[in-house]
Amino acid sequence: QSVLTQSPSASGTPGQRVTISCSGSSSNIGSNTVNWYQQLPGTAPKLLIYSNNQRPSGVPDRFSGSKSGTSTSLAISGLQSEDEADYYCAAWDVSLNGWVFGGGTKLTVL
Amino acid sequence: QVHLVESGGGVVQPGRSLRLSCAASGFTFGSYAMHWVRQAPGKGLEWVAVVSYDGMNENYAVSLKGRFTISRDNSKNTLHLQMVSLRAEDTAVYYCARENAYGEVEKWFDPWGQGTLVTVSS
Repeated sequence: QSVLTQSPSASGTPGQRVTISCSGSSSNIGSNTVNWYQQLPGTAPKLLIYSNNQRPSGVPDRFSGSKSGTSTSLAISGLQSEDEADYYCAAWDVSLNGWVFGGGTKLTVL
Repeated sequence: QVHLVESGGGVVQPGRSLRLSCAASGFTFGSYAMHWVRQAPGKGLEWVAVVSYDGMNENYAVSLKGRFTISRDNSKNTLHLQMVSLRAEDTAVYYCARENAYGEVEKWFDPWGQGTLVTVSS
């Protein structure tokens, strides 16, 4: 059971907007910034969003992150087939004194 | 170009030890904290350990403390993970990742290596 909670799956059709949510607690999301990682099939995770809503260079502005209280979400607009991947949220947990991840959301582009 | 390459994975019997390595290039290795993150087959990501930029401080996932040891050799731009008393549940792909930071609170992992597979089986 992951400390951060994500829905196991999400889906959308090309061009749609999809939102992936991640919930935690005051010891992690509530007190620290959140990062999102994208893992394409058979590859290593890649940084997608850092510090709640910042995009690394090279990440399309179709991807955006937001945080409110102990929850965070990743939005993908103009969905494309190459967005089909697993998405993970992560944050530092002050109670566990370690990094925690969500269980991952598998995004399917229909 | 920043690059991380893991090595040392393989098949090991339960109770045995294994040492993983992560070779870094393209950046000043000794200026960054480094992490290990693992992923069991078909499962999600699990943080394993972190070592400070100078190797003086380490931190581990509670469930792993005592069996895993993270270390680094800044003269060789290499990160290590020593694993002892391995169990079947340690079977996973092990990734190394560089920690980037903005201040003391904003931290993230980028880049990640391609991973090395550890299989614990008799």
